[in-house]
Amino acid sequence: QITLKESGPTLVKPTQTLTLTCTFSGFSVSSSGVGVGWIRQPPGKALEWLALIYWDDDKRYRPSLKSRLTITKDTSKNQVVLTMTNMDPVDTATYYCAHRRVVDWGFDYWGQGTLVTVSS
Amino acid sequence: QSALTQPPSASGSPGQSVTISCTGTSSDVGGYNYVSWYQQHPGKAPKLMIHEVSKRPSGVPDRFSGSKSGNTASLTVSGLQAEDEADYYCSSYAGSNNFEVFGTGTKVTVL
Repeated sequence: QITLKESGPTLVKPTQTLTLTCTFSGFSVSSSGVGVGWIRQPPGKALEWLALIYWDDDKRYRPSLKSRLTITKDTSKNQVVLTMTNMDPVDTATYYCAHRRVVDWGFDYWGQGTLVTVSS
Repeated sequence: QSALTQPPSASGSPGQSVTISCTGTSSDVGGYNYVSWYQQHPGKAPKLMIHEVSKRPSGVPDRFSGSKSGNTASLTVSGLQAEDEADYYCSSYAGSNNFEVFGTGTKVTVL
C-alpha cells in the first residue's frame, strides 16, 4: 500500500532555510502520471497548496511563494524534498506531502504531517 | 491566488443532509472539472472524498456526492452520521499559472 511520511526540523529560526523530506513507499515517482505535492496548514487555519512535482520532473509552485520554494525528487531513494528559504513566523504550519495521479487529480494519499515552528 | 470561498460552518441532525458550497471564478472552479473535496478530522491528515467534481474514490461512502454549477461546486453529505463531523475543504485546478487553490474550509457539526 501507499504510505508517505514527512521529516525535517520542528523548529527553525527566522531567515533560515527549511528543508523537508517526504519519504514514501508503494509507488515510484518515476511512474507515468504520478505526482507528489506539498500542502501546509497554519494552526487553526485552512490548507494551502505549496508545490508539486510530477514523474516527468514538471514542477509547479504557489505563485506567491515561488521565489522561496524548490521541489526536487530522488527516485532511487523514494523521496521528494521541499526547501523554503527565508523562513518567517507566518510560515509556522503543519506541512503535509501527498500523492497524486494525474488521471484522478485529487491527493489520494497523505503523510501524517509535520509541525514546523518558526521562532527565534 | 485567492482561496475558494466556503461557508465557515454547516450543521445537521443525524440522518439529515448537509450541502457545502465552494465558490471560485471562471479561472478555477468554473473553468475546469478538477474540483476535489477533502475531509479532515482534528489532528489528522485530510482524506480525499471527491475528485473531478463528482467521483468518489474507492471506500468513500455513497452518502458523499459532489456537483458543480458555474463557478460554484458543492459537496452533499446525505444521511449524516456522527463520524461525518469534521472540517471539509474543496480544491480546484486554477490554470497553468496558479495551478491549484484550496477553499477556506467548512466545519460540519452533527447536532
